[in-house]
Amino acid sequence: QKEVEQNSGPLSVPEGAIASLNCTYSDRGSQSFFWYRQYSGKSPELIMFIYSNGDKEDGRFTAQLNKASQYVSLLIRDSQPSDSATYLCAQRARNNDMRFGAGTRLTVKP
Amino acid sequence: KAGVTQTPRYLIKTRGQQVTLSCSPISGHRSVSWYQQTPGQGLQFLFEYFSETQRNKGNFPGRFSGRQFSNSRSEMNVSTLELGDSALYLCASSLGGRDNQPQHFGDGTRLSIL
Repeated sequence: QKEVEQNSGPLSVPEGAIASLNCTYSDRGSQSFFWYRQYSGKSPELIMFIYSNGDKEDGRFTAQLNKASQYVSLLIRDSQPSDSATYLCAQRARNNDMRFGAGTRLTVKP
Repeated sequence: KAGVTQTPRYLIKTRGQQVTLSCSPISGHRSVSWYQQTPGQGLQFLFEYFSETQRNKGNFPGRFSGRQFSNSRSEMNVSTLELGDSALYLCASSLGGRDNQPQHFGDGTRLSIL
């Protein structure tokens, strides 16, 4: 089992819809979780981080963390074609390692 | 505030050669991590340096090495290059220490091996 797992997609949503990206992890001791967006040919860009159970909102983005069920998700409201990218989930493990999922490719269709 | 700077942006080498990549972290950041990204394997962790010491190491052969200087700048060296080393090499910096601060990535160095 991989330490951080994501559905590779592609996930396709129409413009204006909510895109839901999910990630599960195996290390229960992890304290912090991150979402990165990566456009094709570019480097990952941090968009959200979350440390506590519950929801964290930033503009159109909401990160959700459920430590009991070991999953973290990212919701993108009012999806735009410019949101089309690969989204990487990452966790900082107890030994301070950063562990990345393989990424979910999102396509927002006009 | 300047971001993470990686040089060079592109590099073409032949098998058997060696290469050195450079990374300047965000000012004040003391931790520098290196990753290899390929279409098939995704983002793979190489190593992390903090205060000039290698703190963590991924599962890569000894041909891959790195170091960090007192100003937190870091270099990564790959010796005896193989075709499979063709990849995007990414550097990421964070404040460091045992904290939860996120990493910020540079634009990467795209290495092609002929």
